[in-house]
Amino acid sequence: QLQLQESGPGLVKPSGTLSLTCTVSGDSISNSDYYWGWIRQPPGKGLEWIGTVYYTGSTFYNPSLRGRVSISVDTSKNQFSLRLDSVTAADTAVYYCARPVAVVPAAFEIWGQGTMVTVSS
Amino acid sequence: EIVLTQSPGTLSLSPGERATLSCRASETVNNDYIVWYQQTPGQPPRLLIYRSFTRATGIPDRFSGSGSGTDFTLTISRLEPEDFAVYYCQQYGSSPWTFGQGTKVEIK
Repeated sequence: QLQLQESGPGLVKPSGTLSLTCTVSGDSISNSDYYWGWIRQPPGKGLEWIGTVYYTGSTFYNPSLRGRVSISVDTSKNQFSLRLDSVTAADTAVYYCARPVAVVPAAFEIWGQGTMVTVSS
Repeated sequence: EIVLTQSPGTLSLSPGERATLSCRASETVNNDYIVWYQQTPGQPPRLLIYRSFTRATGIPDRFSGSGSGTDFTLTISRLEPEDFAVYYCQQYGSSPWTFGQGTKVEIK
């Protein structure tokens, strides 16, 4: 059974860098049928797609975050990671990693439980 | 980017009733590429529908999606107690993929 688990600091200082890792278990991140994504949700608000990565390292990002966001994959550890630079309070959110259905990279089917990241001094 | 507007903001219904949720796009969604999710408090979203009408694995047939162009609908034919939640639509016809603000289905 596929499981995803986010990990990383829960508190980041303004202007700092947010770094999160998603550990995949139950399947190989190198499975060519799937992409892997990051989505976030500010407290009490809706969802925002951050970006998506393929096991080859190919990525696509939400343009609203372009320039600040980077997603990478480590096939040896079966993990993929999110890096968000120059964070502000507006980046405070629950961050989810997720895997979409095989034929629809945007339809996120399997989700991690999410990790709350607060940007504050 | 495509803005999705969901209505109503809150839907108050009783178990057994039919729920009709609307998702309107600011421009045509290519290929009717719409997804619907359900989210309960403290939980990640649950995928219900993709490609506008295709139910995800394990989703009961009381959930159905329809629509095209700019107007899409999620229908729950007969509400079960576990269906009271917040529902989000998402479009992936154009980048960036965007979500609606959500509709809360609450017990009347």
